[in-house]
Amino acid sequence: AQSVTQLGSHVSVSEGALVLLRCNYSSSVPPYLFWYVQYPNQGLQLLLKYTTGATLVKGINGFEAEFKKSETSFHLTKPSAHMSDAAEYFCAAELYKAAGNKLTFGGGTRVLVKP
Amino acid sequence: DTGVSQDPRHKITKRGQNVTFRCDPISEHNRLYWYRQTLGQGPEFLTYFQNEAQLEKSRLLSDRFSAERPKGSFSTLEIQRTEQGDSAMYLCASSLPDQPQHFGDGTRLSIL
Repeated sequence: AQSVTQLGSHVSVSEGALVLLRCNYSSSVPPYLFWYVQYPNQGLQLLLKYTTGATLVKGINGFEAEFKKSETSFHLTKPSAHMSDAAEYFCAAELYKAAGNKLTFGGGTRVLVKP
Repeated sequence: DTGVSQDPRHKITKRGQNVTFRCDPISEHNRLYWYRQTLGQGPEFLTYFQNEAQLEKSRLLSDRFSAERPKGSFSTLEIQRTEQGDSAMYLCASSLPDQPQHFGDGTRLSIL
């Protein structure tokens, strides 16, 4: 079955340390991929997206992600965590190209940033 | 760009009651999506519209759920005879075709 999986429901990092959030997809065709961030009691804000072309994608707030077809992965990184990065992060994919761009989400990873 | 607006932000109701949520998309966006997010989970697709046409409904959308977008602008999502399992955040998103979806802040439904 086509799906999106995020490894680790919770990640704790120290302020200034590397943030690494893992996302793998299962699809017969490489999908369009997205990372969204959600702050408490708010909707989802787009961090970055991969459609075609360059596999290293830069987003807002210093985040970037790399699409690796051979590993079916789209991991999110930020070199230096800031306290404001504490939030929940969702990886999402358009797995069904003909289906109106609907998104399939992973289960989310909650990031805690320690001072 | 005023963003996607959802109303109400929070709805508390008793089991068995009907509820209706409203979503106002970004004005030029012709696609509108509804998702449901339960606690600790990622959002799950419910349905989407292109203009006023409802083009796909998830199997999650039981016959107690109905969504409309009568004039291709705002949309409503109605749940009849609410059940405990309907407690969730209901998210609306809008987009242009093949462009990223923009999400509202959601309506949190609590069933007593």
